[in-house]
Amino acid sequence: AQSVTQLGSHVSVSEGALVLLRCNYSSSVPPYLFWYVQYPNQGLQLLLKYTTGATLVKGINGFEAEFKKSETSFHLTKPSAHMSDAAEYFCAVSDEDAGGTSYGKLTFGQGTILTVHP
Amino acid sequence: EAGVAQSPRYKIIEKRQSVAFWCNPISGHATLYWYQQILGQGPKLLIQFQNNGVVDDSQLPKDRFSAERLKGVDSTLKIQPAKLEDSAVYLCASSSGTSGVQETQYFGPGTRLLVL
Repeated sequence: AQSVTQLGSHVSVSEGALVLLRCNYSSSVPPYLFWYVQYPNQGLQLLLKYTTGATLVKGINGFEAEFKKSETSFHLTKPSAHMSDAAEYFCAVSDEDAGGTSYGKLTFGQGTILTVHP
Repeated sequence: EAGVAQSPRYKIIEKRQSVAFWCNPISGHATLYWYQQILGQGPKLLIQFQNNGVVDDSQLPKDRFSAERLKGVDSTLKIQPAKLEDSAVYLCASSSGTSGVQETQYFGPGTRLLVL
């Protein structure tokens, strides 16, 4: 069974500082990994996803994430935080089951709330 | 392009009452998902449709929850009777249904349910 762990339910940074949100996954097969962002009272919006190929993935709003198979990690970073980045961020994994069936089911982590201080 | 629409946005009911949520996916999307997001947790998949067929309802509490997707477009999720622990945000998402495990899911704004 697949699972996702996000280290730190709350992260606080100053405007202009580096943003680092941590995500570790557990999957018995090569995973597909996603980061979603949720603004207050809104649905989730895709930031970026890793499927195959280059392990450094660039997304919207200056975010990027690196897939590290040896560390089973997919941490999200942004070099310089902006006030508008304040939101909740979710890491998710999707993979095939043992029979090779895939229905695109996402398993989410518990989320990390990012606060940006002026 | 219009996004995923959900209604109502908010609902307050008393326990043991029934409630229904509606979702209209992005036009042409074959796959539709219902998630439950309890405060402080990530979304949890309740049910997944491919067109009008169910492909995964393993986490749907079938004694009280039901869902349908007539004609493979709109979907409704019903809870009857509601319990206090059903208080959550119910998110609907859709995807094209052509890329399997790599699918990008597009989420609606959610329905916030409070059971008193």
